[in-house]
Amino acid sequence: EVQLVESGGGLVQPGRSLRLSCAASGFTFADKAMHWVRQAPGKGLEWVSGINWNSGSIGYADSVRGRFTISRDNAKNSLYLQMKSLRAEDTALYYCVKDLYGDYLWYFDYWGQGTLVTVSS
Amino acid sequence: DIQMTQSPSSLSASVGDRVTITCRASQSVYTYLHWYQQKPGEAPELLIYDASKLQSGVPSRFTGSGSGTDFTLTISSLQPEDFATYFCQQSYSSGTFGQGTKVEIK
Repeated sequence: EVQLVESGGGLVQPGRSLRLSCAASGFTFADKAMHWVRQAPGKGLEWVSGINWNSGSIGYADSVRGRFTISRDNAKNSLYLQMKSLRAEDTALYYCVKDLYGDYLWYFDYWGQGTLVTVSS
Repeated sequence: DIQMTQSPSSLSASVGDRVTITCRASQSVYTYLHWYQQKPGEAPELLIYDASKLQSGVPSRFTGSGSGTDFTLTISSLQPEDFATYFCQQSYSSGTFGQGTKVEIK
């Protein structure tokens, strides 16, 4: 059974940093691309960032490019999102999402339960 | 950026009804179109990918169709567990989502 467990969310002041983690199990993590997708409270879904199986290809939404950094450790079956210069509009539930493929092609076939990030003073 | 527009934003239906949700892309996404179901307090689940392919484990009452810019998700006979919000998403260029369609009990 595929499991994706996010951690690292919390309340943070504007301008500060936060690092999210995702522990993956139930599939060959090193074979699949991974993503972060967020959902602001009561709102829709927004793709944030994706990384291919070997970290050779990485992409970001315009809204976070230059502030967020995605990375993965295939030896630890883990995905990360380093978030800097956080803004109120980054407040959301952040989902760790598995891609159907090794390249990040935006086929979101399994989702974690999410970790909540709240940016507020 | 490709914009995805769903209609309606919400609908009320009864158990056993046939329900159709529409998704329109601002430019052609060919068949790079996927549908997700999200129940309150839960993560989204993939229902349909590549416009018409049923994800493993998804009941056959869910069908997807369309290509280019116009797509539909149909639930042939609505079941109690189908009351949820449905999102379309294109993967032709990045991964943008529609705003969602909430299916409520009539």
